[in-house]
Amino acid sequence: AQTVTQSQPEMSVQEAETVTLSCTYDTSENNYYLFWYKQPPSRQMILVIRQEAYKQQNATENRFSVNFQKAAKSFSLKISDSQLGDTAMYFCAFMIWDSGGGADGLTFGKGTHLIIQP
Amino acid sequence: DAMVIQNPRYQVTQFGKPVTLSCSQTLNHNVMYWYQQKSSQAPKLLFHYYDKDFNNEADTPDNFQSRRPNTSFCFLDIRSPGLGDAAMYLCATSPSRGGFYEQYFGPGTRLTVT
Repeated sequence: AQTVTQSQPEMSVQEAETVTLSCTYDTSENNYYLFWYKQPPSRQMILVIRQEAYKQQNATENRFSVNFQKAAKSFSLKISDSQLGDTAMYFCAFMIWDSGGGADGLTFGKGTHLIIQP
Repeated sequence: DAMVIQNPRYQVTQFGKPVTLSCSQTLNHNVMYWYQQKSSQAPKLLFHYYDKDFNNEADTPDNFQSRRPNTSFCFLDIRSPGLGDAAMYLCATSPSRGGFYEQYFGPGTRLTVT
């Protein structure tokens, strides 16, 4: 079974600062996907960024980037130039890569509540 | 806009009284998922449908059932809700299974059991 751990229940930074959210995971699988999802207050969860485990290059999406350390089973999210709209719950998630299409759903961490202060 | 819709957003039911939560999607996705998110806990997968093929997680209680009458709709039935079933229930869809495909989430239904 896979587990995902987010050790920071809540973080608060000033607008325009850079913030890093931590995530570690445990799995015996070699091929998998890692994700960061954002859940704004009272709104649906949306995908922020995705990383394929077989790719060594860290994924980036505009102000969002990850630091993927496969050996350490670590997958942190860096948000640069943080904005008020980044205030949300952030979930780290894991999914096995199954070429047969039989993969199940996402395994989530408990989340980090990120607050961007004006 | 194409989206995942969950009704109602808030549902109150009595202990032991059956309740049904609804999810619909306009994305024409093959896969629909149900997750349970209790307060301060990680969302947890209950089950998913790949087209008409139902896939139950091993630790999902028998009290939870699901129906998918067509591509657009999926229902979560809780036969005899207990106080421990109070949670946010999230529906998600995906074009197909696997991490290559993004999951699109609905806003959730918050279930209260009195």
